[in-house]
Amino acid sequence: DQQVKQNSPSLSVQEGRISILNCDYTNSMFDYFLWYKKYPAEGPTFLISISSIKDKNEDGRFTVFLNKSAKHLSLHIVPSQPGDSAVYFCAASPKSNYGGSQGNLIFGKGTKLSVKP
Amino acid sequence: DVKVTQSSRYLVKRTGEKVFLECVQDMDHENMFWYRQDPGLGLRLIYFSYDVKMKEKGDIPEGYSVSREKKERFSLILESASTNQTSMYLCASSSAGTAEYNEQFFGPGTRLTVL
Repeated sequence: DQQVKQNSPSLSVQEGRISILNCDYTNSMFDYFLWYKKYPAEGPTFLISISSIKDKNEDGRFTVFLNKSAKHLSLHIVPSQPGDSAVYFCAASPKSNYGGSQGNLIFGKGTKLSVKP
Repeated sequence: DVKVTQSSRYLVKRTGEKVFLECVQDMDHENMFWYRQDPGLGLRLIYFSYDVKMKEKGDIPEGYSVSREKKERFSLILESASTNQTSMYLCASSSAGTAEYNEQFFGPGTRLTVL
């Protein structure tokens, strides 16, 4: 059963508008959430993260919101640019029993964002 | 600048061949991972390693094995390649310890085609 779900396989947005990518999770033991961006024929690159004790983290045009009660997070990109066109993966970091991270990440299936000029 | 390198960007092999995919990181990371990425399936973890000579099965280890003889190198082995192993293979590494979270750094990927 999927622990991290990205229910929209694709999203198309006009340049300059807001892109909202969504992610749901089932495991309340996830401690951190990360977003990765992946261009074709390249490895994923880290974009932004959020701790489970926070509800918002902002970095330039990128903001991640966490709704812990709903087990839902979203990535907002404002304004969207054509160079943002990529596949975005949501990932969750499980907390280990001894504190800190287990080290592995649980990834969603990804959402392909297309930003049209 | 942190770096994870993979031995090949593109690889074509025949069914039944033994295939080696090599990954090297220069960040002195303890953790290393092998994933495969397929359309609609996202990133699926094959194997990972927390230390030299240690390995753990991920979600889809069948048909694969791994080797970690040195800290910086993690190899993925397809003992007898099959067409359903045609995929993009991604290696990643991260530091260990009690960090709140462990960002994984990915290599560029190897596009493997098995004919």
